[in-house]
Amino acid sequence: ETGVTQSPTHLIKTRGQQVTLRCSSQSGHNTVSWYQQALGQGPQFIFQYYREEENGRGNFPPRFSGLQFPNYSSELNVNALELDDSALYLCASSPEGLAGGIYNEQFFGPGTRLTVL
Amino acid sequence: QQQVKQSPQSLIVQKGGISIINCAYENTAFDYFPWYQQFPGKGPALLIAIRPDVSEKKEGRFTISFNKSAKQFSLHIMDSQPGDSATYFCAASNKWAGANNLFFGTGTRLTVIP
Repeated sequence: ETGVTQSPTHLIKTRGQQVTLRCSSQSGHNTVSWYQQALGQGPQFIFQYYREEENGRGNFPPRFSGLQFPNYSSELNVNALELDDSALYLCASSPEGLAGGIYNEQFFGPGTRLTVL
Repeated sequence: QQQVKQSPQSLIVQKGGISIINCAYENTAFDYFPWYQQFPGKGPALLIAIRPDVSEKKEGRFTISFNKSAKQFSLHIMDSQPGDSATYFCAASNKWAGANNLFFGTGTRLTVIP
């Protein structure tokens, strides 16, 4: 069974640029969540996708957007990068995304380290 | 607003000792409380989790104690080993809130001295 994978591992961008991060969910999982983890902090929820639809969003501006594809892989896009966007971006997958779902367990990928200069 | 408060920020324990990390929450709608372990350069890995219908869950050397009335839960690591040195995060979520997003504590950096 393949776990959650993310690409790229590291990325360096300059302020104002746009970035796309990618995530492949664990086999059998149809829900993907994205988190931002600043240095020395816990992960902060950005948004979640379930069957290609956004299923909840944290306190992040609209320049953070996402997609989920029919194979349940996902992308996180960030426009107009700011210095504070420098962080580890984590993708997590889980087997059930609907409210009232039995499973809450989320399994994290290794993350993409984004540095904005 | 930090929905889950975690302490201590850092912890140093001798090999064989007990490591204890505490968390507190305010939202009584939370119904799932996992602990994650994170090594440098890696994503968080699920260690153990508990639901509020039980007061304790044990898996090997790791135990979660849950106090629903106090809205507190803690992780106990028995017989701590140098390989346990990592950052530990408590978290909470509410499966009825639509997205079962996790609210994380700020983390505890555990160092186990040989």
